Amino acid sequence: SQTIHQWPATLVQPVGSPLSLECTVEGTSNPNLYWYRQAAGRGLQLLFYSVGIGQISSEVPQNLSASRPQDRQFILSSKKLLLSDSGFYLCAWSEEGVEQYFGPGTRLTVT
Amino acid sequence: AQKITQTQPGMFVQEKEAVTLDCTYDTSDQSYGLFWYKQPSSGEMIFLIYQGSYDEQNATEGRYSLNFQKARKSANLVISASQLGDSAMYFCAMRPAGGTSYGKLTFGQGTILTVHP
Repeated sequence: SQTIHQWPATLVQPVGSPLSLECTVEGTSNPNLYWYRQAAGRGLQLLFYSVGIGQISSEVPQNLSASRPQDRQFILSSKKLLLSDSGFYLCAWSEEGVEQYFGPGTRLTVT
Repeated sequence: AQKITQTQPGMFVQEKEAVTLDCTYDTSDQSYGLFWYKQPSSGEMIFLIYQGSYDEQNATEGRYSLNFQKARKSANLVISASQLGDSAMYFCAMRPAGGTSYGKLTFGQGTILTVHP
């Protein structure tokens, strides 16, 4: 069966520091991968999605970037965090024509 | 562009009763998919049910059913026989069925459901 992992689970970082969040999927090949952000009490906003290694599409202009160095690995990064980057970050995967399955999420607080 | 509207910020239901969570959507696409997800306090998003725009029958998954009214652009979630464990945030979402936007989900703002014993 397929599983999706995210780490770290929680993170507190100062403004201006770098960020690296990792997401890995097991049990499937060539999945579509997604990064979402959820502000407190709000719905999810799609940040990036990827249909293959090295293929990244950005949905909103922002302080973040994403990379997919391996088939089942998706990384969310920032060179300098802003206060507005605080939120709950969720990674998801899907196969063609099927629903998306989400990871446990990373709660990021920028101080 | 696609838009999802959930007008109920919070809902309360008595244990063992049924509850309907509202969702309306707006899209110019002819083909699309509608989803409901549950988000407990732990934060993980749990897939509940899916309805395709061309599906003639309403989707059902155990105690969950989707009341799909295409002409009214509504996709309400019905939870029968509510349980205490159903207390959570519920999100309605949609995605286009094809094209360059394929797979990208648009979410509503969510409804917090509280089940009372």
